[in-house]
Amino acid sequence: GAVVSQHPSWVICKSGTSVKIECRSLDFQATTMFWYRQFPKQSLMLMATSNEGSKATYEQGVEKDKFLINHASLTLSTLTVTSAHPEDSSFYICSARGGPFGARWGKTQYFGPGTRLLVL
Amino acid sequence: GQSLEQPSEVTAVEGAIVQINCTYQTSGFYGLSWYQQHDGGAPTFLSYNALDGLEETGRFSSFLSRSDSYGYLLLQELQMKDSASYFCAVKNYGQNFVFGPGTRLSVLP
Repeated sequence: GAVVSQHPSWVICKSGTSVKIECRSLDFQATTMFWYRQFPKQSLMLMATSNEGSKATYEQGVEKDKFLINHASLTLSTLTVTSAHPEDSSFYICSARGGPFGARWGKTQYFGPGTRLLVL
Repeated sequence: GQSLEQPSEVTAVEGAIVQINCTYQTSGFYGLSWYQQHDGGAPTFLSYNALDGLEETGRFSSFLSRSDSYGYLLLQELQMKDSASYFCAVKNYGQNFVFGPGTRLSVLP
């Protein structure tokens, strides 16, 4: 099956610093990637949808200047949390849609393993 | 608006059968997915229903009724390793997936 990787898996940083999280589709071309945030014992909340080569679409209430998303290639999307604060501590998960052989409208999403961010 | 409803918790014993329901109200509907998430892990795909009816994949089956905006995940021959959170997710006209609040399944020995 399709594989999506995320790096780093864990990050601890000081308040005010910026953190970059990478999401890669390893064996397929992901035309669309999604970024989610999940707080403990809660559901996944979609933050933004990024399409390769275009600007990301942010969900209501998500600050686009704080959560910078870049989808420069069909296999890589990055999320940068700028000037992180303790309230940004969360589990960030990316997912990719595309499927093998470049299928554009995959019937499912393939999730990365997630990145736990702790801001001190 | 968009909303999905699931029971927050379900408890069952090993070997039993459990059904997790999901009702939805979304802006458009293409299909209903189910995901499993163990504590500390990322979600993993279980099933996808675009048409009415039952889809079976091993011990897990998923059902959809589009007219009732309702679906369920059926887990048979429960095992301890099935203890996890289960999320339904609707694929809407924006081609995004909107996730339900999740159901925490506890399987007891």
